[in-house]
Order: sequence, then structure tokens, then C-alpha cells
Amino acid sequence: EAGVAQSPRYKIIEKRQSVAFWCNPISGHATLYWYQQILGQGPKLLIQFQNNGVVDDSQLPKDRFSAERLKGVDSTLKIQPAKLEDSAVYLCASSWAGGGGYTFGSGTRLTVV
Amino acid sequence: QQQVKQSPQSLIVQKGGISIINCAYENTAFDYFPWYQQFPGKGPALLIAIRPDVSEKKEGRFTISFNKSAKQFSLHIMDSQPGDSATYFCAAATSGTYKYIFGTGTRLKVLA
Repeated sequence: EAGVAQSPRYKIIEKRQSVAFWCNPISGHATLYWYQQILGQGPKLLIQFQNNGVVDDSQLPKDRFSAERLKGVDSTLKIQPAKLEDSAVYLCASSWAGGGGYTFGSGTRLTVV
Repeated sequence: QQQVKQSPQSLIVQKGGISIINCAYENTAFDYFPWYQQFPGKGPALLIAIRPDVSEKKEGRFTISFNKSAKQFSLHIMDSQPGDSATYFCAAATSGTYKYIFGTGTRLKVLA
């Protein structure tokens, strides 16, 4: 089966600019996650979707981050305006509904200068 | 209480040796404990996972040992190979939501 697709792979922006990341999960996977991985740290959950509904966004900095999953398939994560501390790899993952071992994409490496 | 503590931060092992990585958790509600392997430039990949109803799970050269009373679990890599050189993350979650809490990672280097 095809894996979790993410784009772009890399993005460099200046602080206060906006940026968007795209994720296409594995076909049929109802649950989709966005994680933030800062260099040298473990991934941290930002938001979890079940189909096109948000299950948990308690750790999403909502003043600057937003995410949506239209039609329960693709998802986009947006940052506006970006800060230096947003520099990280943004990982998307998906799983079957109620499944534990989910599959990660290769991520988008964001550098904010 | 939501933390997962992982050690060591880095590990160097000779080819053929045993690599051991340890994790500890606080939240007794956690009931799913996966290990992920991450190569540079790639996303984490699921290696093996365990639930607290068993004390050990083995898949090939990879074994998870689980101690429920101590709230600790560990990954053993037998006959370590240079291709195993990667960063390993433990994680914990409740099976209701599968929202992972990751450890800080262990960078493993296996010398040829």
C-alpha cells in the first residue's frame, strides 16, 4: 500500500510569514495525526482527526496554528504568523479507526529565519 | 504524569552485541507501548509494540520487556547490525485515543 504522503519536504520562511503543509494519508485510514518534532526531541502531538472531525487539538497553539481535514481524507496544517521556535519537522501519521500502530510520513522540515 | 522518560540518550554497540534502551512512565492509564525507529530524513516507523497483559514480546531480533509494577519497559536488539544505526523512540498511549507520548529518543550507533 502507498504510504503517507507529505509535501513540501522542506520549507524556509521568514518569521511572521505564513506556511501550509499538506498530508495525504493511507487510503481507508480514518484517523489522522499531526506531530511536531523539534530537533533532538521526540514528536509531540498537535492535533488528531477522526474522519473530518477534530478529536483532540488541546496542544495546538490556536493563536497561530490551524488544521483542517476536508472530506475526511487530505489534511492541511497552517502556521500564521510563524515564529523562530516553530522551526521543526512536521509529521503526519494515519491509522485505521481505533488502531494503535500508525504510519508516519517523511515529514516537512520547516526552518523559520 | 504524562511524561515518558527514555535512556540512554545515545548508545554505541559493537556489531553482534545487544542494544538495550529503557523507558519509564507515570500514567497507569497507558496500555499501549510501541517502539519506533527513525532514520535521518525519514518519519518514525513502527518496530514493535506491547500491551501490559504480557511481560515480553519478541519479533525477530527485537524484544520488548515490560514490567507493569515498575512502570518500565525496554527494547532489546539482539545481534545488533550496522543497519540498526538509527534513533529509537519509545512511546505510550491509552487504547481509547492512541495519542502517543514519546520519549526523548536514543541515538544508536552499531560499529562494524
